Amino acid sequence: ETGVTQTPRHLVMGMTNKKSLKCEQHLGHNAMYWYKQSAKKPLELMFVYNFKEQTENNSVPSRFSPECPNSSHLFLHLHTLQPEDSALYLCASSQDGLGGGSQETQYFGPGTRLLVL
Amino acid sequence: ILNVEQSPQSLHVQEGDSTNFTCSFPSSNFYALHWYRWETAKSPEALFVMTLNGDEKKKGRISATLNTKEGYSYLYIKGSQPEDSATYLCAFTLYGQNFVFGPGTRLSVLP
Repeated sequence: ETGVTQTPRHLVMGMTNKKSLKCEQHLGHNAMYWYKQSAKKPLELMFVYNFKEQTENNSVPSRFSPECPNSSHLFLHLHTLQPEDSALYLCASSQDGLGGGSQETQYFGPGTRLLVL
Repeated sequence: ILNVEQSPQSLHVQEGDSTNFTCSFPSSNFYALHWYRWETAKSPEALFVMTLNGDEKKKGRISATLNTKEGYSYLYIKGSQPEDSATYLCAFTLYGQNFVFGPGTRLSVLP
């Protein structure tokens, strides 16, 4: 149990659907992250939030829309996805992602397995 | 673009065997190297954060070493057990930069 939860664990959606992924951390951290893992590829960073402000968008298509209403919650809103967006989406958090935060451990949730039909 | 490589891609060992695998990363401007263990359908679990050349870390039967000058880290598992079966990930960072993950080494320990 890492203290980071994600819902749903599995999601099947059509290309015209709108859905949202939810992440919650119970660790009192100030930085939260979305990662994507496609088949046979390394984990790929999508977005970073520090103190509720987005600090990184790794050239992610606009059909993925993140939202961070507070330091404990992170959402990924999905709209008109493509079949190639089918992947495992992982959320993570760390104490403080600012500046030299790359020595900080990131704590991961179990992921949402997304299938786009 | 930073490239982090891990080898082998996968391996199968017998229970009781010791094993090791490698993470290779750019040697310039190194800041930190993270190791994670990721069991199927679970969350990746942090094992070690390594920051200094020559670092050695140990957690039970698992240990890791770091060589920042040549850009590699080794992860060792002594006396592998079936519960060690997982994918082992390394992530490299530059100062103030986000993680760059390697593709992982998938370990299967056969009873």
